[in-house]
Amino acid sequence: DADVTQTPRNRITKTGKRIMLECSQTKGHDRMYWYRQDPGLGLRLIYYSFDVKDINKGEISDGYSVSRQAQAKFSLSLESAIPNQTALYFCATSEAGWYNEQFFGPGTRLTVL
Amino acid sequence: SQKIEQNSEALNIQEGKTATLTCNYTNYSPAYLQWYRQDPGRGPVFLLLIRENEKEKRKERLKVTFDTTLKQSLFHITASQPADSATYLCALDYSGGGADGLTFGKGTHLIIQP
Repeated sequence: DADVTQTPRNRITKTGKRIMLECSQTKGHDRMYWYRQDPGLGLRLIYYSFDVKDINKGEISDGYSVSRQAQAKFSLSLESAIPNQTALYFCATSEAGWYNEQFFGPGTRLTVL
Repeated sequence: SQKIEQNSEALNIQEGKTATLTCNYTNYSPAYLQWYRQDPGRGPVFLLLIRENEKEKRKERLKVTFDTTLKQSLFHITASQPADSATYLCALDYSGGGADGLTFGKGTHLIIQP
């Protein structure tokens, strides 16, 4: 079974709808991250969490919110989706401390019409 | 803010040759630098990490160098194979503790021709 899972894998929605993307991990990591990837722009950090009580904004947090329900679960919400939020979204995890790699989920392809 | 530059054009290499990818950054040097591989439609996969006080790191056919004077990292794949074809991402962290997550370059698409 995959260590980092994301649901749904694909989603098509309409402008103005509320959308939640979910991420679960079995690696036991404290740190979790949400990134989005757009063609030509690379991966950009949306939000990150170092533990259940710690949530931080990343480079592009406007229009998004997150919830860390447990150590293993980190959800990303789009309160009112807009077309320029169409992208590939990745969740990642890492251990606490220095010099640690990140482990990425398989991604969620979101299309906002 | 920090910027990372990777060759935006695809890099075509003949099988068996050494592929060299470049990652340049601006402003101050990070505590470490990481390289990831990404296949189409999939999440990035970690390959190597090199710390600011290290000049070179190796893993099997992979080698990474880190020159803080030039503000540059080079990623080498020796004896390249068609299976090495993918997009390679450079990523920087400044605190070493992941305080700001990772900042990624846009990636270089590597194509190994049989």
